[in-house]
Amino acid sequence: KNQVEQSPQSLIILEGKNCTLQCNYTVSPFSNLRWYKQDTGRGPVSLTIMTFSENTKSNGRYTATLDADTKQSSLHITASQLSDSASYICVVTAGNDMRFGAGTRLTVKP
Amino acid sequence: DAGVIQSPRHEVTEMGQEVTLRCKPISGHNSLFWYRQTMMRGLELLIYFNNNVPIDDSGMPEDRFSAKMPNASFSTLKIQPSEPRDSAVYFCASSLSSTLAKNIQYFGAGTRLSVL
Repeated sequence: KNQVEQSPQSLIILEGKNCTLQCNYTVSPFSNLRWYKQDTGRGPVSLTIMTFSENTKSNGRYTATLDADTKQSSLHITASQLSDSASYICVVTAGNDMRFGAGTRLTVKP
Repeated sequence: DAGVIQSPRHEVTEMGQEVTLRCKPISGHNSLFWYRQTMMRGLELLIYFNNNVPIDDSGMPEDRFSAKMPNASFSTLKIQPSEPRDSAVYFCASSLSSTLAKNIQYFGAGTRLSVL
């Protein structure tokens, strides 16, 4: 069983709508959690990084939350744009170990 | 800065051949990472270097894989001999920090490897 589970696996929304992606993890001891955006055919791009003491981090229209007690994180995208169509990957670091979620494929339609 | 530069962008080779992937990290970055991404397994960390020294290679799948960082501005990932199951996109990333602590990793565009 993957120690980082992302949901949904894929999501289709209309341009301008909001959406929330989920990441649940069992990795320990927790160091930090990252959200990446990966466009098709490109390398991942860092959106946010959060440590244990941070429960919210924003980057423009992207807002990540972290609940270290329940080991859950979410990525909220506000007022989606066509350019938000991409895969979003959650990565949890525990010490020197990095665990990757399988990603959520988001498609924004006009 | 041009960012992390990887070459080649695409590589097609036959089973049994040696493959060398190259990476130039962002100038001034202390850490360099090699990743592999496939549809089946997603993104995987293969190995990372701090100040040109390999720190953790536990992600390297087997002895056919080796990585070197002879200086701060260059790294290679070599597969010898290559097998069809090595087909994947290989990413290189670099960061300022010398640990996996809170630091931003900047990824290259990747090398798409196809082993026939």
